[in-house]
Parts: sequence; C-alpha cells; structure tokens
Amino acid sequence: GAGVSQSPSNKVTEKGKDVELRCDPISGHTALYWYRQSLGQGLEFLIYFQGNSAPDKSGLPSDRFSAERTGGSVSTLTIQRTQQEDSAVYLCASSFSAHYEQYFGPGTRLTVT
Amino acid sequence: KQEVTQIPAALSVPEGENLVLNCSFTDSAIYNLQWFRQDPGKGLTSLLLIQSSQREQTSGRLNASLDKSSGRSTLYIAASQPGDSATYLCAAPLRASRLTFGEGTQLTVNP
Repeated sequence: GAGVSQSPSNKVTEKGKDVELRCDPISGHTALYWYRQSLGQGLEFLIYFQGNSAPDKSGLPSDRFSAERTGGSVSTLTIQRTQQEDSAVYLCASSFSAHYEQYFGPGTRLTVT
Repeated sequence: KQEVTQIPAALSVPEGENLVLNCSFTDSAIYNLQWFRQDPGKGLTSLLLIQSSQREQTSGRLNASLDKSSGRSTLYIAASQPGDSATYLCAAPLRASRLTFGEGTQLTVNP
C-alpha cells in the first residue's frame, strides 16, 4: 500500500517568506506527527494530531509555526516569516493510533536563504 | 530530562561481521521502542518495534532486545553487508506517544 508522502521534496525560500509543507498520511492512520531534523539538533518533535482531539503543539519552536489537519487526513505545516535557522528537513509520520509503530515520509528539505 | 542515548556514534566493520548497536533511555515505563534506519538524504525506515511486554523482536538478520528495568535496548545485525551501511536510530515515546530520538549510530560496512 501507499506510504506516507510529503510535498514538496525540496523548498528554497527567501528569509521572511511564508512556506507550506504538506503531508499525506497512510490511509486509516489516526495519529500524525511532524518532526524536524537539523544539523546539530538531531530529530525533534514539533506537533502531534490524534483523531479529533486537540493537537499537542508543545514542540513548536515559535508562534511562526502552525499546523492543521483537515478531515483527519492531510496535514499542512506552515512557517511564517521564515528565518535561516528554520532550514532543516521536516519529516511527517503517521501511525494507526497512539503508541503504534510510526511510519515516516521522505521529508521536505527546507532551505532559507 | 528525558533522554535517549546511542553508542557508539560511528562504527566501521568488515563485511560479514556480526555487530551490536546500543541504545539507552531514561524512562523504564515506555510503551515500546522503535529502531529506524536512515540512508543519506532519505527519510526514516522503520526496522523493528518492540512492545514493552516483549524482550526481543526479530526481522531477518536483525534482532532487537529490550530491557526496561535497565533502560537499554540493543540492535544486533548478523552477517553484515555493505548494503547495511546507514545511520541507525532508536526512539522511544518518553512523553505521550511522540518519539524522542537518539543521536544515531553511523554504520559503515566495508566490502
């Protein structure tokens, strides 16, 4: 079956611009996670959606970051007024439910110039 | 602070050797622990998930063990091949179901 997909695969943007990153989870998975992987920081959690519950936003680094999940499926991570320190690979994962095996997408490499 | 630690950070072995990667975590009450593989420029591929009620999980040449009481997990790779060269990450849900990752072990298997 289809895995987790993310788009775009690469994004280069100028400092100060807004960007939107998209994640399509595996069909039927109720849990969706966003993580960020950057040099020197490793992999860090950003936000978690579980079904219709309020998302866990505790990992978002600033109020420039937001995410939504429409219809319990596709998710969009939005970064406003991008900064150079936002450059990283943004990874999306989904699982059948909380505490089940997480499956990752290929990531979006964001470069802020 | 809740942490996941992996040693060694890098490992280089000749083809055919058996090897062990180590992972330690600070919370003995974890639900499960997951091992991943990451190839350069790629996403994460799930290798094994060990539930808290299990002590071992096997997939092909891979065997992962979990000892919650000591806060340790190991990934054993038998008869290593050059295609096994990658970064191996362990991760555990230390806060709710979100994963906390180790820094990874970069494995190189030399032909």
